[in-house]
Amino acid sequence: NAGVTQTPKFQVLKTGQSMTLQCAQDMNHEYMSWYRQDPGMGLRLIHYSVGAGITDQGEVPNGYNVSRSTTEDFPLRLLSAAPSQTSVYFCASSYRTGGTDTQYFGPGTRLTVL
Amino acid sequence: KNQVEQSPQSLIILEGKNCTLQCNYTVSPFSNLRWYKQDTGRGPVSLTIMTFSENTKSNGRYTATLDADTKQSSLHITASQLSDSASYICVVGQWDSGYNKLIFGAGTRLAVHP
Repeated sequence: NAGVTQTPKFQVLKTGQSMTLQCAQDMNHEYMSWYRQDPGMGLRLIHYSVGAGITDQGEVPNGYNVSRSTTEDFPLRLLSAAPSQTSVYFCASSYRTGGTDTQYFGPGTRLTVL
Repeated sequence: KNQVEQSPQSLIILEGKNCTLQCNYTVSPFSNLRWYKQDTGRGPVSLTIMTFSENTKSNGRYTATLDADTKQSSLHITASQLSDSASYICVVGQWDSGYNKLIFGAGTRLAVHP
Protein backbone atom coordinates (compact mmCIF):
# COMPACT_ATOMS: atom_id res chain seq x y z
CA ASN A 1 0.00 0.00 0.00
CA ALA A 2 1.19 3.50 -0.80
CA GLY A 3 -0.98 4.88 2.05
CA VAL A 4 -1.92 8.54 1.65
CA THR A 5 -0.21 10.37 -1.22
CA GLN A 6 -0.21 14.10 -1.90
CA THR A 7 0.94 16.10 -4.90
CA PRO A 8 2.70 18.40 -5.39
CA LYS A 9 5.17 18.50 -2.48
CA PHE A 10 5.94 22.18 -3.04
CA GLN A 11 4.07 24.92 -4.87
CA VAL A 12 4.49 28.66 -5.32
CA LEU A 13 1.51 30.71 -6.48
CA LYS A 14 0.85 34.34 -7.16
CA THR A 15 -2.05 36.09 -5.46
CA GLY A 16 -5.27 35.41 -7.32
CA GLN A 17 -4.16 32.20 -9.00
CA SER A 18 -6.11 29.00 -8.49
CA MET A 19 -4.85 25.48 -8.08
CA THR A 20 -5.78 22.01 -6.88
CA LEU A 21 -3.91 20.01 -4.27
CA GLN A 22 -4.26 16.32 -4.94
CA CYS A 23 -4.79 13.63 -2.30
CA ALA A 24 -5.29 9.91 -2.80
CA GLN A 25 -5.46 6.89 -0.51
CA ASP A 26 -5.42 3.19 -1.36
CA MET A 27 -6.64 1.81 1.99
CA ASN A 28 -10.37 2.00 1.21
CA HIS A 29 -10.89 4.38 4.13
CA GLU A 30 -14.31 5.98 4.39
CA TYR A 31 -13.14 9.23 5.99
CA MET A 32 -10.83 11.80 4.44
CA SER A 33 -9.87 15.29 5.56
CA TRP A 34 -7.70 18.30 4.82
CA TYR A 35 -5.75 20.27 7.41
CA ARG A 36 -3.44 23.24 7.34
CA GLN A 37 -0.48 23.68 9.64
CA ASP A 38 0.87 27.13 10.43
CA PRO A 39 3.92 27.98 12.57
CA GLY A 40 3.20 27.91 16.30
CA MET A 41 -0.32 26.57 15.81
CA GLY A 42 -1.94 23.18 15.82
CA LEU A 43 -3.30 21.63 12.65
CA ARG A 44 -6.69 23.05 11.73
CA LEU A 45 -9.42 21.22 9.86
CA ILE A 46 -10.39 22.76 6.50
CA HIS A 47 -12.88 20.27 5.02
CA TYR A 48 -13.71 16.64 5.56
CA SER A 49 -15.65 13.81 3.95
CA VAL A 50 -17.40 10.82 5.54
CA GLY A 51 -17.81 9.01 2.24
CA ALA A 52 -17.97 9.42 -1.52
CA GLY A 53 -20.30 12.25 -2.44
CA ILE A 54 -20.41 13.66 1.10
CA THR A 55 -18.33 16.62 2.24
CA ASP A 56 -18.58 19.15 5.05
CA GLN A 57 -16.78 22.23 6.34
CA GLY A 58 -14.26 22.23 9.11
CA GLU A 59 -12.86 25.05 11.21
CA VAL A 60 -11.27 27.15 8.43
CA PRO A 61 -13.10 26.45 5.12
CA ASN A 62 -13.13 29.92 3.55
CA GLY A 63 -11.26 30.11 0.24
CA TYR A 64 -11.22 26.34 -0.28
CA ASN A 65 -13.46 23.86 -2.09
CA VAL A 66 -13.48 20.07 -2.01
CA SER A 67 -15.27 17.22 -3.72
CA ARG A 68 -15.28 13.45 -3.17
CA SER A 69 -16.38 11.66 -6.33
CA THR A 70 -14.55 8.42 -5.42
CA THR A 71 -13.49 6.74 -2.18
CA GLU A 72 -9.82 7.11 -3.14
CA ASP A 73 -9.51 10.80 -4.09
CA PHE A 74 -10.14 14.01 -2.17
CA PRO A 75 -8.77 17.09 -4.00
CA LEU A 76 -8.57 20.51 -2.35
CA ARG A 77 -9.12 23.55 -4.59
CA LEU A 78 -7.88 27.04 -3.86
CA LEU A 79 -10.21 29.35 -5.71
CA SER A 80 -8.19 32.59 -5.64
CA ALA A 81 -4.97 32.24 -3.69
CA ALA A 82 -4.13 34.79 -1.00
CA PRO A 83 -0.91 35.25 1.04
CA SER A 84 -2.86 34.13 4.14
CA GLN A 85 -3.12 30.68 2.54
CA THR A 86 0.64 30.21 2.71
CA SER A 87 0.88 27.07 4.83
CA VAL A 88 1.63 23.37 4.88
CA TYR A 89 -1.38 21.30 3.88
CA PHE A 90 -1.94 17.75 5.09
CA CYS A 91 -4.46 15.26 3.81
CA ALA A 92 -5.54 12.39 6.06
CA SER A 93 -7.68 9.30 5.76
CA SER A 94 -9.19 7.20 8.51
CA TYR A 95 -11.52 4.35 9.34
CA ARG A 96 -13.74 3.90 12.35
CA THR A 97 -13.15 1.08 14.81
CA GLY A 98 -15.43 0.93 17.81
CA GLY A 99 -15.43 4.24 19.64
CA THR A 100 -12.55 5.83 17.82
CA ASP A 101 -10.74 5.99 14.51
CA THR A 102 -7.16 5.76 13.27
CA GLN A 103 -5.93 8.61 11.06
CA TYR A 104 -3.16 8.31 8.51
CA PHE A 105 -1.56 11.49 7.23
CA GLY A 106 0.05 12.21 3.90
CA PRO A 107 3.51 13.81 3.60
CA GLY A 108 2.14 17.33 3.10
CA THR A 109 2.20 20.06 0.46
CA ARG A 110 4.12 23.23 1.25
CA LEU A 111 2.34 26.15 -0.42
CA THR A 112 3.68 29.68 -0.73
CA VAL A 113 1.46 32.47 -2.05
CA LEU A 114 3.31 35.62 -3.12
CA LYS B 1 -13.75 27.35 23.51
CA ASN B 2 -12.21 23.97 22.70
CA GLN B 3 -8.48 24.18 23.31
CA VAL B 4 -5.51 21.87 23.70
CA GLU B 5 -2.42 23.29 25.38
CA GLN B 6 0.94 21.61 25.57
CA SER B 7 4.01 22.20 27.67
CA PRO B 8 6.84 22.75 27.38
CA GLN B 9 7.00 24.32 23.92
CA SER B 10 10.46 22.86 23.43
CA LEU B 11 12.77 20.53 25.30
CA ILE B 12 16.38 19.38 24.98
CA ILE B 13 17.52 16.16 26.61
CA LEU B 14 20.53 13.89 26.39
CA GLU B 15 20.35 10.54 24.69
CA GLY B 16 19.33 7.80 27.10
CA LYS B 17 17.41 10.11 29.44
CA ASN B 18 13.67 10.02 30.10
CA CYS B 19 11.25 12.89 29.64
CA THR B 20 7.58 13.71 30.14
CA LEU B 21 5.46 15.99 27.98
CA GLN B 22 2.25 17.56 29.26
CA CYS B 23 -1.13 18.25 27.70
CA ASN B 24 -4.15 20.08 29.15
CA TYR B 25 -7.42 20.30 27.28
CA THR B 26 -10.77 22.04 27.59
CA VAL B 27 -12.55 20.10 24.84
CA SER B 28 -16.15 19.12 25.54
CA PRO B 29 -17.65 16.72 24.80
CA PHE B 30 -14.58 14.52 24.80
CA SER B 31 -14.34 11.12 23.14
CA ASN B 32 -10.66 10.28 22.78
CA LEU B 33 -7.14 11.61 23.18
CA ARG B 34 -4.19 10.74 21.02
CA TRP B 35 -0.51 11.55 20.76
CA TYR B 36 1.23 11.97 17.42
CA LYS B 37 4.90 12.18 16.48
CA GLN B 38 5.80 14.53 13.62
CA ASP B 39 9.26 14.47 12.12
CA THR B 40 10.43 17.62 10.36
CA GLY B 41 8.92 17.82 6.89
CA ARG B 42 6.65 14.82 7.40
CA GLY B 43 3.04 14.18 8.33
CA PRO B 44 2.04 13.25 11.89
CA VAL B 45 2.17 9.57 12.86
CA SER B 46 -0.06 8.13 15.58
CA LEU B 47 1.64 6.89 18.75
CA THR B 48 -1.28 6.19 21.08
CA ILE B 49 -5.05 6.57 21.16
CA MET B 50 -7.05 6.49 24.42
CA THR B 51 -10.78 6.67 24.92
CA PHE B 52 -12.23 8.40 27.99
CA SER B 53 -12.35 5.08 29.88
CA GLU B 54 -8.63 4.36 29.50
CA ASN B 55 -5.99 5.96 31.71
CA THR B 56 -2.78 4.57 30.24
CA LYS B 57 -1.56 3.25 26.91
CA SER B 58 1.92 2.18 25.86
CA ASN B 59 3.65 1.88 22.51
CA GLY B 60 7.19 0.65 22.99
CA ARG B 61 9.17 3.32 24.83
CA TYR B 62 6.20 5.71 24.71
CA THR B 63 3.62 5.67 27.52
CA ALA B 64 0.63 8.00 27.55
CA THR B 65 -1.57 8.67 30.56
CA LEU B 66 -4.97 10.28 30.74
CA ASP B 67 -6.87 11.83 33.64
CA ALA B 68 -10.30 12.66 32.27
CA ASP B 69 -11.36 14.26 35.56
CA THR B 70 -8.62 16.89 35.52
CA LYS B 71 -8.48 16.94 31.69
CA GLN B 72 -4.77 16.25 31.61
CA SER B 73 -2.59 13.87 29.68
CA SER B 74 1.12 13.15 29.59
CA LEU B 75 3.48 11.35 27.25
CA HIS B 76 6.49 9.71 28.86
CA ILE B 77 9.46 8.73 26.71
CA THR B 78 11.85 6.21 28.22
CA ALA B 79 15.54 5.83 27.33
CA SER B 80 15.42 8.47 24.60
CA GLN B 81 17.13 7.94 21.25
CA LEU B 82 18.37 10.41 18.67
CA SER B 83 15.47 9.34 16.43
CA ASP B 84 13.02 10.62 19.06
CA SER B 85 13.90 14.17 17.98
CA ALA B 86 10.58 15.44 16.60
CA SER B 87 7.47 17.37 17.52
CA TYR B 88 4.97 15.57 19.72
CA ILE B 89 1.37 16.63 19.29
CA CYS B 90 -1.51 16.07 21.70
CA VAL B 91 -4.87 15.78 19.94
CA VAL B 92 -8.36 15.54 21.41
CA GLY B 93 -11.21 14.05 19.41
CA GLN B 94 -14.93 14.64 19.64
CA TRP B 95 -17.59 12.88 17.59
CA ASP B 96 -19.78 15.32 15.68
CA SER B 97 -22.49 14.03 13.31
CA GLY B 98 -20.65 10.76 12.67
CA TYR B 99 -17.20 12.28 12.23
CA ASN B 100 -14.40 12.35 14.80
CA LYS B 101 -13.27 16.00 14.74
CA LEU B 102 -9.76 16.46 16.05
CA ILE B 103 -8.49 19.48 18.01
CA PHE B 104 -4.71 19.72 17.83
CA GLY B 105 -2.25 21.19 20.27
CA ALA B 106 0.66 23.23 18.93
CA GLY B 107 3.13 20.50 19.88
CA THR B 108 6.27 20.11 21.96
CA ARG B 109 9.50 20.15 19.97
CA LEU B 110 11.91 17.61 21.44
CA ALA B 111 15.61 17.56 20.61
CA VAL B 112 17.69 14.58 21.78
CA HIS B 113 21.41 15.29 21.84
CA PRO B 114 24.21 12.70 21.95
